[in-house]
Amino acid sequence: RKEVEQDPGPFNVPEGATVAFNCTYSNSASQSFFWYRQDCRKEPKLLMSVYSSGNEDGRFTAQLNRASQYISLLIRDSKLSDSATYLCVVRGAGSYQLTFGKGTKLSVIP
Amino acid sequence: GAGVSQSPSNKVTEKGKDVELRCDPISGHTALYWYRQSLGQGLEFLIYFQGNSAPDKSGLPSDRFSAERTGGSVSTLTIQRTQQEDSAVYLCASSLSVIRRISGINTDTQYFGPGTRLTVL
Repeated sequence: RKEVEQDPGPFNVPEGATVAFNCTYSNSASQSFFWYRQDCRKEPKLLMSVYSSGNEDGRFTAQLNRASQYISLLIRDSKLSDSATYLCVVRGAGSYQLTFGKGTKLSVIP
Repeated sequence: GAGVSQSPSNKVTEKGKDVELRCDPISGHTALYWYRQSLGQGLEFLIYFQGNSAPDKSGLPSDRFSAERTGGSVSTLTIQRTQQEDSAVYLCASSLSVIRRISGINTDTQYFGPGTRLTVL
């Protein structure tokens, strides 16, 4: 089992749609969770951290279920500018290494 | 402020040649990381530097790969006798490496540079 697994995608959605990405992680000792965004041929950038039971930032909501080792990202009212690859990222307890999923590509269509 | 910078942005080399990739971290960041992203793959951890401590080289794929960090700032990743499978984007990241005192959780954010796209012919 891969350490961090994500929906393979790609997701093609119309503007204004709500889209959800899922991610599972294999290391139950993982302590920190993140969603990064990566635009085509660009570096990954932190979208949001996910702590405890989850958090919301504008149109973006991240959820964490430690029992199921599952993380999700919900994007509401999607915009053209949301088109990117979304990376699920996990860090183990007391560790500095980030483990990345392969990412899910999102295309928001006019 | 200035972010993480990397050079060159693109590098094309012939199989068997050595290459050096450079990373300038954000000023004041004590932690520096190298990752590799191959086509269609997730980011793969290569090496980690923290202050003056010995680096964690556990992610380096072979002894052809090495890295150093001079003066706790600039880092150079060297690949000797390059192979075609070394072709990838090499990303550098830096962070403050702050650990929450109470929980002991490492919560620092890693900021990535734009990467160096290496093509080995």
